[in-house]
Amino acid sequence: DGGITQSPKYLFRKEGQNVTLSCEQNLNHDAMYWYRQDPGQGLRLIYYSQIVNDFQKGDIAEGYSVSREKKESFPLTVTSAQKNPTAFYLCASSLGTASIEQYFGPGTRLTVT
Amino acid sequence: GENVEQHPSTLSVQEGDSAVIKCTYSDSASNYFPWYKQELGKGSQLIIDIRSNVGEKKDQRIAVTLNKTAKHFSLHITETQPEDSAVYFCAAGAGSYQLTFGKGTKLSVIP
Repeated sequence: DGGITQSPKYLFRKEGQNVTLSCEQNLNHDAMYWYRQDPGQGLRLIYYSQIVNDFQKGDIAEGYSVSREKKESFPLTVTSAQKNPTAFYLCASSLGTASIEQYFGPGTRLTVT
Repeated sequence: GENVEQHPSTLSVQEGDSAVIKCTYSDSASNYFPWYKQELGKGSQLIIDIRSNVGEKKDQRIAVTLNKTAKHFSLHITETQPEDSAVYFCAAGAGSYQLTFGKGTKLSVIP
């Protein structure tokens, strides 16, 4: 089955710890994205990558870091510098230059205490 | 940059009735308008989208209309069913890689 997977579904961390969220896709999509969703808010773009070894900051990149070493993978690290890390994180992908339709993974709910 | 407003934030309808969710956008360069359905514990699923060269698109019980002059687009769900209950997000994009999302509408279909 083709799709986007995110793991784990729920993640708990202590304040001050870095944590990495996984996102993998087997759709052969060039572009990948990370969004953050808070209650009553729309999805806000954290980082996006148009191609391997390249990524750009979105609207709320502070306190986050990403890498794109492989086309299939776009992990997001939530660092201790992120002041309010508790949120629902969604990963998405799109074909890239051919299309901007984005397809989403199931999400990871991160709770930091 | 683009700004997308979505209304209402919550919507309750009786099963079988229609539901309409409206979004407005600010950037006249936006030309792609998708709608996503987010169910509890699941990811956001693309349910329908429209591009600026058409005014309306239908897919069974779901339709989207676009008014470029007024810069608004709407999602219409007819003959609602309990499984339509979810949070719906609209978004707008301008042919680039970035989409701007509305804040979502929680739709509840009452049996």
